Amino acid sequence: EAGVAQSPRYKIIEKRQSVAFWCNPISGHATLYWYQQILGQGPKLLIQFQNNGVVDDSQLPKDRFSAERLKGVDSTLKIQPAKLEDSAVYLCASSLDGPYGYTFGSGTRLTVV
Amino acid sequence: AQSVTQPDIHITVSEGASLELRCNYSYGATPYLFWYVQSPGQGLQLLLKYFSGDTLVQGIKGFEAEFKRSQSSFNLRKPSVHWSDAAEYFCAVGSGFQTLVFGTGTRLLVSP
Repeated sequence: EAGVAQSPRYKIIEKRQSVAFWCNPISGHATLYWYQQILGQGPKLLIQFQNNGVVDDSQLPKDRFSAERLKGVDSTLKIQPAKLEDSAVYLCASSLDGPYGYTFGSGTRLTVV
Repeated sequence: AQSVTQPDIHITVSEGASLELRCNYSYGATPYLFWYVQSPGQGLQLLLKYFSGDTLVQGIKGFEAEFKRSQSSFNLRKPSVHWSDAAEYFCAVGSGFQTLVFGTGTRLLVSP
């Protein structure tokens, strides 16, 4: 089975610019997650979708971050405007209904300069 | 709130030697516990998980972990480390509706 696809793999932008990341989950996986992994830290949940509805976005900085999952499949995560502290790897994961059956993508490494 | 502590930032082990990575968690009820491995430029791969039952859990790549409720620990072990095991290891606890809270990770270096 194909894995979780993410693009781009790397992105370098200047602060105050905007950026978008894309995630294509495993076919049939209803739940999709975005995690932020800052260098030297463990991943931290940003947002969780169940189909196309938001389940948990309590840790998403909503003044600059937004995410959507149209039609319950692909998802995009956007940052506008970016700050230096947004430099991180953004990991997408998906799962079937069931206990923690996660599959992670390889991530997008964002550098804000 | 749930939390995970991995007290060792870096560990160096000789190839062929045994390995133990420490993990302590904070959770009010019976936790769901996980160990993931991350190689450079890669996503997270699940090594093993504990939900209930036998407190010694076997995983992939020869890893095992033991859940000790009295110590709030879930340490990862491997009897003989291979050079290919060099990576970053994350302990995590299940939280809320199927989300994960991760520790800060332990980087494993394997010396010849």
